[in-house]
Amino acid sequence: AQSVAQPEDQVNVAEGNPLTVKCTYSVSGNPYLFWYVQYPNRGLQFLLKYITGDNLVKGSYGFEAEFNKSQTSFHLKKPSALVSDSALYFCAVRDIYGNNRLAFGKGNQVVVIP
Amino acid sequence: DTGVSQNPRHKITKRGQNVTFRCDPISEHNRLYWYRQTLGQGPEFLTYFQNEAQLEKSRLLSDRFSAERPKGSFSTLEIQRTEQGDSAMYLCASSSNAEEQYFGPGTRLTVT
Repeated sequence: AQSVAQPEDQVNVAEGNPLTVKCTYSVSGNPYLFWYVQYPNRGLQFLLKYITGDNLVKGSYGFEAEFNKSQTSFHLKKPSALVSDSALYFCAVRDIYGNNRLAFGKGNQVVVIP
Repeated sequence: DTGVSQNPRHKITKRGQNVTFRCDPISEHNRLYWYRQTLGQGPEFLTYFQNEAQLEKSRLLSDRFSAERPKGSFSTLEIQRTEQGDSAMYLCASSSNAEEQYFGPGTRLTVT
């Protein structure tokens, strides 16, 4: 069964500094990987995905993520954090063998300090 | 607004009552998913439809839970004889392929 680990409960970063949110995964075969963001009282918003191709994928709002197969990681990054990036971030994985369910991590609260 | 919509947004019910939630997916999406999210956790998969066919169900979906998508468009999730442990946010998502899923705002259920 697929699973995701997001090891940090909360990530604090100063505005303008680089932001990294960590994610490692476990899946049979090659993964499909996703990042979502959740603001208070709102649903999950899709940020970016890795399906195949370049290991560095770019997404919405200046976010990017790097797929590392040997480390089974898919860390989310942003070069310069904004206060408005403060939210809950979820990493998710599914396998490619017809199993349509997404397995989510427990989420990371990101706090960007002005 | 052409996103996924869910109704109601909030539902408070007494233990033992039945509740039904509705999800309207993005119109051209043939795949529809239900997830449940509790405080401090990520969403957990409940069930998946492709058109009107329910193709996958989680073991989390007990006999008290039933989902339908009768015409391959909107979907309903019913919980019978609600229990306090059913209190959660119920999320619906849709997709047009096997890649990214787009989520609705959720229905927050509180069982008293």
